Amino acid sequence: DAMVIQNPRYQVTQFGKPVTLSCSQTLNHNVMYWYQQKSSQAPKLLFHYYDKDFNNEADTPDNFQSRRPNTSFCFLDIRSPGLGDAAMYLCATSRDSRVNEQFFGPGTRLTVL
Amino acid sequence: QKEVEQDPGPLSVPEGAIVSLNCTYSNSAFQYFMWYRQYSRKGPELLMYTYSSGNKEDGRFTAQVDKSSKYISLFIRDSQPSDSATYLCAMNRDDKIIFGKGTRLHILP
Repeated sequence: DAMVIQNPRYQVTQFGKPVTLSCSQTLNHNVMYWYQQKSSQAPKLLFHYYDKDFNNEADTPDNFQSRRPNTSFCFLDIRSPGLGDAAMYLCATSRDSRVNEQFFGPGTRLTVL
Repeated sequence: QKEVEQDPGPLSVPEGAIVSLNCTYSNSAFQYFMWYRQYSRKGPELLMYTYSSGNKEDGRFTAQVDKSSKYISLFIRDSQPSDSATYLCAMNRDDKIIFGKGTRLHILP
């Protein structure tokens, strides 16, 4: 089945220790998104790629970076995680800019010690 | 005022009841209106989307949009324990989705 896959599902890191979260998709969608979702909060868009074009949200901290080496893969790098970065990180894809049809992965839950 | 307002619940209803979930919004520019279902420790799953005012039905689910009142609803008929989840309303603006905080729904067997 075509899907969005996130690895790992659970990630524990130490304060200040860089961490990379991974997302892959078999849907062959052009657009990939990274969201941060904290407990009982709405998902918050961090950035998205339309093909290779990177779009950063204005309020996304510089601590967060992303890479998309090819259509299928996208990575979220957190350079120096703080306690406030503990959250669920969701990857989503859409075929094009029709954002009403975004498909989400299962998420990676990040714990910062 | 936040762009999208949604009561976080929790909302508990007995199995078989009709569930009504609602959101209000403030931005008249929103074009698409969506409902996502999110099970615990999972990613959101798109249930339905609508474009215009009115109703859209899909099985036990009906989405309703009232643009004049800036109010959207999701109705679940014959609710089942498997419907227990968090339901997020969402709307698009400038090619981005703005989510509500979600309503936690518990269907009691």
